[in-house]
Amino acid sequence: ETGVTQSPTHLIKTRGQQVTLRCSSQSGHNTVSWYQQALGQGPQFIFQYYREEENGRGNFPPRFSGLQFPNYSSELNVNALELDDSALYLCASSLVSGGNSYEQYFGPGTRLTVT
Amino acid sequence: AQSVSQHNHHVILSEAASLELGCNYSYGGTVNLFWYVQYPGQHLQLLLKYFSGDPLVKGIKGFEAEFIKSKFSFNLRKPSVQWSDTAEYFCAVNARGGNNRKLIWGLGTSLAVNP
Repeated sequence: ETGVTQSPTHLIKTRGQQVTLRCSSQSGHNTVSWYQQALGQGPQFIFQYYREEENGRGNFPPRFSGLQFPNYSSELNVNALELDDSALYLCASSLVSGGNSYEQYFGPGTRLTVT
Repeated sequence: AQSVSQHNHHVILSEAASLELGCNYSYGGTVNLFWYVQYPGQHLQLLLKYFSGDPLVKGIKGFEAEFIKSKFSFNLRKPSVQWSDTAEYFCAVNARGGNNRKLIWGLGTSLAVNP
């Protein structure tokens, strides 16, 4: 059983640029959630994807967007980067089945620095 | 609004001391409850979870937590900590049922165990 993987590990971008972060979900999982974790804070929910559609969104602007692919992997895209977007971006996968949801398993994260 | 409050931001203990980390949540419906741990340089790992049933749940590495519904609390305990328990601990909740499984997180508690 493979765990959740994310790429890249670290990324440095300039303000105004665009970035794409990638996540491969754990084998057998069909749902991917993305979180932003600023230094010294708990993770903040960005959005969740289930069956390739956005299934809930946190308090993040539209320049944060995502995709889920048929193999349940996912991308997080951020346009027009701002300095405050510097954070650890976490991907978590889980299984949603029969109306039940199960615990989320996290990847190692992508550390994004915006200069 | 849904929220999670962790009472202690920084805790310092000596080995063999007992640990209790407080977690209270605010939510009007039925919830699932989690404790996650983040060891230095590692990704978030599930420590234990409560979905239903016995309110006293046991997790990995000797940790346990008790769900007290009347107090909206889910405190984490360990009778005797070890140096290897040094980590960041996060309490999280999500709403049971429905399609939105987003986790709401506390700010975390940094635990340092002195040998």
